[in-house]
This record gives sequence, structure tokens and C-alpha cells, in this order.
Amino acid sequence: KNQVEQSPQSLIILEGKNCTLQCNYTVSPFSNLRWYKQDTGRGPVSLTIMTFSENTKSNGRYTATLDADTKQSSLHITASQLSDSASYICVVSYPNAGGTSYGKLTFGQGTILTVHP
Amino acid sequence: DTGVSQNPRHKITKRGQNVTFRCDPISEHNRLYWYRQTLGQGPEFLTYFQNEAQLEKSRLLSDRFSAERPKGSFSTLEIQRTEQGDSAMYLCASSVMNWDRVRTNYGYTFGSGTRLTVV
Repeated sequence: KNQVEQSPQSLIILEGKNCTLQCNYTVSPFSNLRWYKQDTGRGPVSLTIMTFSENTKSNGRYTATLDADTKQSSLHITASQLSDSASYICVVSYPNAGGTSYGKLTFGQGTILTVHP
Repeated sequence: DTGVSQNPRHKITKRGQNVTFRCDPISEHNRLYWYRQTLGQGPEFLTYFQNEAQLEKSRLLSDRFSAERPKGSFSTLEIQRTEQGDSAMYLCASSVMNWDRVRTNYGYTFGSGTRLTVV
């Protein structure tokens, strides 16, 4: 079982509408949780990064929330634009036994968002 | 350009041939990572370097794969005797790792990847 599960797998919305993407994780403990945007054929680009003590982080029209108790995170996109069409990936980074993170990230499979005019 | 640079962007090769990819990280980053991503999936960790030392290799990295970072700057990923199952996007990322136990891995940045197609 994947340690990071995202839903839905794909989503189609109309331009200007809002949407929320979900991420459930089992990786514990973890150092931080990130949301990335990946355009087709490109590398992932970081949107937000939250430590376990933070419960919300915004970046323009993107707002990520984190509930460490339920091990859930969401990414809310407001006033969607055509350029938001991409794959959105939830990523968890966890520390090794020594307590310092060596930076290996565990990726979800992504949610493919399509924004139609 | 101060981002992570990967070359080539695309590579088409015949099965059985060897291929080599290059990654140039952000200059002040001491950590470099390689990932593989297949269609519809998230990236999967392959290996990472702290300066020139290769500190971990995933089980995904078979004997046909080898990665180097000889001077702690750029890195190469070589695949020998390519197979069709090697077709994927190969992503490189770099970051700054400090030893503050609370905050780590500043600036984790991905390159645009190398798309490998084995025919």
C-alpha cells in the first residue's frame, strides 16, 4: 500500500471555479508535507511546504491545510485558471532513525486537474 | 539560469544500448537526488548524494544503473543494456542539507527531467 494516497485521481472543472484535492498519508513521523505542481513533460514545482506543526500555508491562489492527527492534507485552488491544468502531487518527507531528514521524499500518485474554459 | 539543469531533455535509444544522463544542480546545493517517473505515477526515489558520496540506493536501481557525482557538483546516471521497461522520465533534484534537526532540506528543486524512450 502506498504511503501517500491522493484523491481524486482526476478532476475536471470550469475556469473560475474552486476545487479541493485530498491527500492521506501513513508516513509517520514526518518532517514536512509538500504540494507540487507538475506540468506535462516537466519536473515538479513546489507550491507549499508545511512542517508537522503548521496547519495551513498559502501561496497565491493555492492554500494547503494539514491535520497531523488524522494524517490528512488538502490543497484548495481558488478562481481556477486554464494554466492550473496539471498534475498535483502530495509529497511527504520523513526523518531517518537519527532524527535528521536525509531528504528522501515519498510521493503520492498525483491528481490530474483539467480546467476547461 | 540558476535552476537544476538536465540533459538531454529527450533520448530515444534502441534496446540494449547504453545511455547516460547529466544533471547540473543549483551550485550551492550539497545534495543531489535521482528519481524515476512513469506515466501516471509519482516520482520514485532512485539514489541520492551528499556532496560526492552516494549515501543511498533504492532497490529500483538494478545493477544496470550507476550514478556518479565525482566532484560533488554535476551528476551522471548511466543505464547499461537498456530495456523497454526503462522507458520513463528521469528527474534530478538538489537541495541544501543542514544539520539543524528542526528544519532541513532547503530549496528542494527539481529539474525538467530527461524523457527516455527505449524502442
